[in-house]
Order: sequence, then structure tokens, then C-alpha cells
Amino acid sequence: GQQVMQIPQYQHVQEGEDFTTYCNSSTTLSNIQWYKQRPGGHPVFLIQLVKSGEVKKQKRLTFQFGEAKKNSSLHITATQTTDVGTYFCAGPSNYGQNFVFGPGTRLSVLP
Amino acid sequence: DGGITQSPKYLFRKEGQNVTLSCEQNLNHDAMYWYRQDPGQGLRLIYYSQIVNDFQKGDIAEGYSVSREKKESFPLTVTSAQKNPTAFYLCASSLIRQVNQPQHFGDGTRLSIL
Repeated sequence: GQQVMQIPQYQHVQEGEDFTTYCNSSTTLSNIQWYKQRPGGHPVFLIQLVKSGEVKKQKRLTFQFGEAKKNSSLHITATQTTDVGTYFCAGPSNYGQNFVFGPGTRLSVLP
Repeated sequence: DGGITQSPKYLFRKEGQNVTLSCEQNLNHDAMYWYRQDPGQGLRLIYYSQIVNDFQKGDIAEGYSVSREKKESFPLTVTSAQKNPTAFYLCASSLIRQVNQPQHFGDGTRLSIL
């Protein structure tokens, strides 16, 4: 069946260091979404990518959609303690009108 | 303010008991979803609904039931058949999937077994 994977599962960084999480789908995606979940909170939509090779930036966050539309990445420049949380990617399911979420990458930022 | 309201925030279930988690949205969204999240894990889809009076099973529907009698409401019942119900339950909504709309999540309900 369709799978969405993310690496790494966990990442610990010193404040000010960069961070990248990678998302890989077993099938081609029409679009990919990224969400952030703070500890104890609920996922919050960050961004959606639609076009092959698309790159979008939100302040220190850079999102990229692969040329084959099967992978994506989120890069955070100069992490801050406010970046702590779990980052999920999600894509439309090929089998129904729903979404498939990756398992997430949990980011810890040491001050 | 528009949003999704889940209640209760914490819920305890006794052995053999059915419990119902509430999810209400005033965003005028067509689609609604229920996810289960276990500690340190991702989101697993339980049920989803694209329209009133219609819903579809997700990946882990066994032991759960839903209804969609109103557009605004999508309650989830955790039945006694669900032997391991302890988890964080998240409800979400979106306009419709076909136009690639983001999902909006409620604050979640934490369910534990007594």
C-alpha cells in the first residue's frame, strides 16, 4: 500500500544550528502538505507544495517538492527554541478521499 | 472565531464501556476526519466523511464508529471492542480534498482506561 516515510525520526540540535527533515512517498503525489505539532498540542498547517521542483520559504523555513513529486524536504535555518515540535508531511491518498501522514520528525532544540 | 471544538479534553473509559468523543466545526467545511495518535507516533486515520450521512473507514476503523448527521458534527464512539483505546484523538476538517485544502485540527481528546 501507499507509504509516506520521514527521516530522521528524532533530531537534537543546538540552538542556532540548521535542521532538515526529509519526506519520501512510495507513490507520486499531486501535492504535499507540512504540519507542525508542538508538544502537547495539535498539528498546525504550515504550507502546501503543488508543482514539481517547487521551493517555498517562510522566514527561516524552506520547503521543497522533488522533481518526481515523490519526496519533499523542510529545512530550518538557525533553529530557535520556538521551533521545537514534531514536523509531519502529508499527501493525498491514492485509495480514497483522505490524507496519508508521515510518522513525523521530532525536533529538540537545546538552548 | 471559526474553528474546531473537541470535547472533552480528557476522558476515562471503564472496561466494557462505550464512550463518545465530540467534534464540532463552524468553518463550513465539507470533510471531517478522525485520527488516533499514540505517544511518539504519527497520525493514523480512523474514519473520514466527505459529506453528510456518508463516511468511510480509515486504516484503523475496527472498534470505532462514527456518524455524520450534520455538516458541523462528526462524533466518534470508541466501543468496548477497541481493546487498546488509550491514545490522543484528533479531529480535523477541510473544505474538500480535491482542491487540496489544508486540514484544520481540534485540540484533541486524551482517552485513558480506568
